[in-house]
Amino acid sequence: AQSVTQPDIHITVSEGASLELRCNYSYGATPYLFWYVQSPGQGLQLLLKYFSGDTLVQGIKGFEAEFKRSQSSFNLRKPSVHWSDAAEYFCAVGAKDMRFGAGTRLTVKP
Amino acid sequence: EPEVTQTPSHQVTQMGQEVILRCVPISNHLYFYWYRQILGQKVEFLVSFYNNEISEKSEIFDDQFSVERPDGSNFTLKIRSTKLEDSAMYFCASSLTARDLHFGNGTRLTVT
Repeated sequence: AQSVTQPDIHITVSEGASLELRCNYSYGATPYLFWYVQSPGQGLQLLLKYFSGDTLVQGIKGFEAEFKRSQSSFNLRKPSVHWSDAAEYFCAVGAKDMRFGAGTRLTVKP
Repeated sequence: EPEVTQTPSHQVTQMGQEVILRCVPISNHLYFYWYRQILGQKVEFLVSFYNNEISEKSEIFDDQFSVERPDGSNFTLKIRSTKLEDSAMYFCASSLTARDLHFGNGTRLTVT
């Protein structure tokens, strides 16, 4: 069965610092992988997705993620975090029955 | 840009009552989904719907739940005899290809 693990429940970074949010997945075939962001009281906004091809994918708001099959990982990165990036981030795998990780809450210090 | 719309944004109901959550998917999309998120927890898959029938459903989606596409534009989730633990944010999503889901802003259901 497909599943997603986000090992970090809460991460705090300083504004301007780099960011990496971890995601590990379990899936029987080549996975479809996604990162979503959720601001408080809001819906889910797609940041980026991986279906196939180039393992480094670029998304909106300056985010990128790298698919590493050997590590079953799809970590999200941003070189310089902005205060507006504070939110909950969800990694997801699959398609017809997309499974989400538990989320990582990002706090940005001034 | 077209978007998925959900109504109402907040629904309060008494335990044991039936509720219907409504969604208008993006107009040319073919695949429809409901997810829920209990406060502070992960987003959980409930059901997917394609070609006027359920294509996948999770263990959460028991006989208490049903989905319907009553006309060409709406997609509804009905919860019969609501329980306190049904309190959650319910998200509708739609997709053209079943690979790329577009989510609505959710309906917050509060069961008292």
